[in-house]
Amino acid sequence: SSELTQDPAVSVALGQTVRITCQGDRLRNYYPSWYQQKPGQAPVLVISGKNNRPSGIPDRFSGSSSGNTASLTITGAQAEDEADYYCNSRDSSGNYVFGTGTQVTVL
Amino acid sequence: QVQLQESGPGLVKPSQTLSLTCTVSGGSISSGTYSWSWIRQPAGKGLEWIGRIYTSGSTNYNPTLKSRVTISVDTSKNQFSLNLSSVTAADTAVYYCARDHGSGRLDYWGQGTLVTVSS
Repeated sequence: SSELTQDPAVSVALGQTVRITCQGDRLRNYYPSWYQQKPGQAPVLVISGKNNRPSGIPDRFSGSSSGNTASLTITGAQAEDEADYYCNSRDSSGNYVFGTGTQVTVL
Repeated sequence: QVQLQESGPGLVKPSQTLSLTCTVSGGSISSGTYSWSWIRQPAGKGLEWIGRIYTSGSTNYNPTLKSRVTISVDTSKNQFSLNLSSVTAADTAVYYCARDHGSGRLDYWGQGTLVTVSS
């Protein structure tokens, strides 16, 4: 399949750890990038490559990948981390696909 | 600090062509090894990659939209543009432009512009 599948929604208690997963065949060959999107705002890149955080992204965000599954982990979730999260990755032609998205609620 | 800004009509009639421009500021569109992407998001739904252009003019398009999409670049104006033909209500969405590092890494995004397809 050329798609990237994510759980629709997850919740996490304030200060606890949450893992958001992304599954797809293309992940066997290419690392994903991860984006955070808050309501009414453009997506923001939080992780790219093996586990690279852009400047300004807190170190509580980390990425990992194994086989056809990639994960974004938020260690010590904060209220401001409540958002939608999307993975994306390329294929051999250089085309991108985004994951289905995960809504994260911080309780 | 690189900034991107989308512009264009907010309302397009069915069967017509949607045309948007993304203006890049804070750096030359030709510098580095970046490409420049368009992404869209219908209300309440997920993100969909539309396509990209390199400043050489080379393009890649989402296979599902390829027959209707054209992306072009004007380096003299530091702009790149999207044309989507034969639009229907299903093309109503917020359209974003973004700088593309490759391998899915879209590091700078415009604020997005809502385009509604309606008669």
